[in-house]
Amino acid sequence: EDQVTQSPEALRLQEGESSSLNCSYTVSGLRGLFWYRQDPGKGPEFLFTLYSAGEEKEKERLKATLTKKESFLHITAPKPEDSATYLCAVQAPGGSNYKLTFGKGTLLTVNP
Amino acid sequence: SAVISQKPSRDICQRGTSLTIQCQVDSQVTMMFWYRQQPGQSLTLIATANQGSEATYESGFVIDKFPISRPNLTFSTLTVSNLSPEDSSIYLCSAWTENTEAFFGQGTRLTVV
Repeated sequence: EDQVTQSPEALRLQEGESSSLNCSYTVSGLRGLFWYRQDPGKGPEFLFTLYSAGEEKEKERLKATLTKKESFLHITAPKPEDSATYLCAVQAPGGSNYKLTFGKGTLLTVNP
Repeated sequence: SAVISQKPSRDICQRGTSLTIQCQVDSQVTMMFWYRQQPGQSLTLIATANQGSEATYESGFVIDKFPISRPNLTFSTLTVSNLSPEDSSIYLCSAWTENTEAFFGQGTRLTVV
């Protein structure tokens, strides 16, 4: 069974204090690893898809990286508006090719 | 990208009744899905909404409880039937584009009293 574990569950940073969120996964044949941002009361907002180990993608202060066992979401010099829950999901073969298995998320709070 | 409109955004329903949630995508998409997000839990896939045919349900979810329709490529509905307090949750519509990016609606927060 595909498993996705995100750590830490919650992270509190000061504005400008860089850090990383972790997403560890167990899956047979990864098709893609997805990162989302979710604000309270809203649906997940798509950030990145990574497909192979060694791949990196960047968007503003966020950079996502992928290895064969885990992915990191690096946040550089965060601002209070980066506060949100960050979700990781894996896409694996078997059943629906489009099925995503999600982790529970990391709640990031950036204090001014 | 795709913009997904979901309604209602929230509702409070009596136990034993049903709620139908609508999902409209602004462009043709390859796949549409329905997820449930319970408090403190990860998103769980309920079913794949297949155009013009019966939905494909994940383990633990059945058609009698969660009937789904998808009459065309851009619209789908999820009904949560015979409501109980355990059904209180956020329900999310999702769609995949041809670029294999998965987008989500804003969600429907259901409270059953």
